[in-house]
Amino acid sequence: DIVMTQTPSSQAVSAGEKVTMSCKSSQSLLYSENKKNYLAWYQQKPGQSPKLLISWASTRESGVPDRFIGSGSGTDFTLTISSVQAEDLAVYYCEQYYDTPLTFGSGTKLEIK
Amino acid sequence: QVNLLQSGAALVKPGASVKLSCKASGYTFTDYYIHWVKQSHGKSLEWIGYINPNSGYTNYNEKFKSKATLTVDKSTNTAYMELSRLTSEDSATYYCTSEAHWGQGVMVTVSS
Repeated sequence: DIVMTQTPSSQAVSAGEKVTMSCKSSQSLLYSENKKNYLAWYQQKPGQSPKLLISWASTRESGVPDRFIGSGSGTDFTLTISSVQAEDLAVYYCEQYYDTPLTFGSGTKLEIK
Repeated sequence: QVNLLQSGAALVKPGASVKLSCKASGYTFTDYYIHWVKQSHGKSLEWIGYINPNSGYTNYNEKFKSKATLTVDKSTNTAYMELSRLTSEDSATYYCTSEAHWGQGVMVTVSS
């Protein structure tokens, strides 16, 4: 199984600050045939279902604010929130869909100071 | 708009089975796979498997192969997941998801 490792496990920032979180996979998620990285980012707010923010490592879903930026390739990926808002309080998960079983990271909990 | 409506919370006894439902609307049911995901309280997400609603083909996480059975009813646009021989380890919230959309989740509690 592909192991997804997220760091840090939690992070506290003030509104307006920039935050970055990391996701590393135990093997490359880059498929050579189409040059796509099979990596998604989800946001899960308290008491809610996960919401897909970004697929293919860097493609924002429709309606997702442009302050959410996904980057990286191969085994190293980053989710950046350029200017954190109070409503961004959530746990963020990365997921690989390169191979089954699909696997998720353990999450990064974002707290607002 | 796309909606995945899951059945209500379940309280079941150890050793019993439970069948969860996920009714899809707002899109062509047979166009997209339906995945099921487990989230134990306060924990991360575990992929259980998916079903192709058109063909009925299933792909399970090895960990859940003897625990979960995925089916669909195309006549009602509903996907089902049956969990068998329940133990306390199966107490969790279970989500169905399809093409970026997630159901609201259903909490299963296993207790005598």
